[in-house]
Amino acid sequence: QSALTQPASVSGSPGQSITISCTGTSSDVGSYNLVSWYQQHPGKAPKLMIYEVSKRPSGVSNRFSGSKSGNTASLTISGLQAEDEADYYCCSYAGSSPVVFGGGTKLTVL
Amino acid sequence: QVQLQESGPGLVKPSETLSLTCTVSGGSISSYYWSWIRQPAGKGLEWIGRIYTSGSTNYNPSLKSRVTMSVDTSKNQFSLKLSSVTAADTAVYYCARVRGDIVPNWFDPWGQGTLVTVSS
Repeated sequence: QSALTQPASVSGSPGQSITISCTGTSSDVGSYNLVSWYQQHPGKAPKLMIYEVSKRPSGVSNRFSGSKSGNTASLTISGLQAEDEADYYCCSYAGSSPVVFGGGTKLTVL
Repeated sequence: QVQLQESGPGLVKPSETLSLTCTVSGGSISSYYWSWIRQPAGKGLEWIGRIYTSGSTNYNPSLKSRVTMSVDTSKNQFSLKLSSVTAADTAVYYCARVRGDIVPNWFDPWGQGTLVTVSS
């Protein structure tokens, strides 16, 4: 079971939009609408931002949105703010071996 | 709201067994799946496994031979044991509740994490 593939880093200026991709296989991302995204600031625990591809938990800004096409899921952050600078991890249900994470993406707000 | 807190030794000797406990407060541990996830310094997240309050477990195949999880509903706690540890097991260990309407698949909330170092 391999980790999902994410870009190591992305960057954007305040106010811009960025998208982080998360590529899996037909055994995980492609087979289930069960992708979640987590934000992690340095020294802190991960925080759930998106679940089941595009659902936002209560309290998470509507600037965060998720989508999926085929074996690739995406997290889009619009109206970038300095506080969005963090690491982001995707996660997918994978059937018999239930969960697989992505390698993480460092978001830099320029 | 539900809060999780990891506890256990911060230093474990090579070849010994790492033991951690997660205490759930603000809600019942019953009728949920609970997971352990770890993160080596500067690296990504690795799912270790999950346990249901009935005691049913699923483990990461890469760790399965060394992992045991258990649950104590009377204490609102669940636990992790990882045997035969090496330096590669040095990481921050998180506990988390697993959610999902159809299948359990997302993690919320998380504990704050506890650093476990494997060293003699």
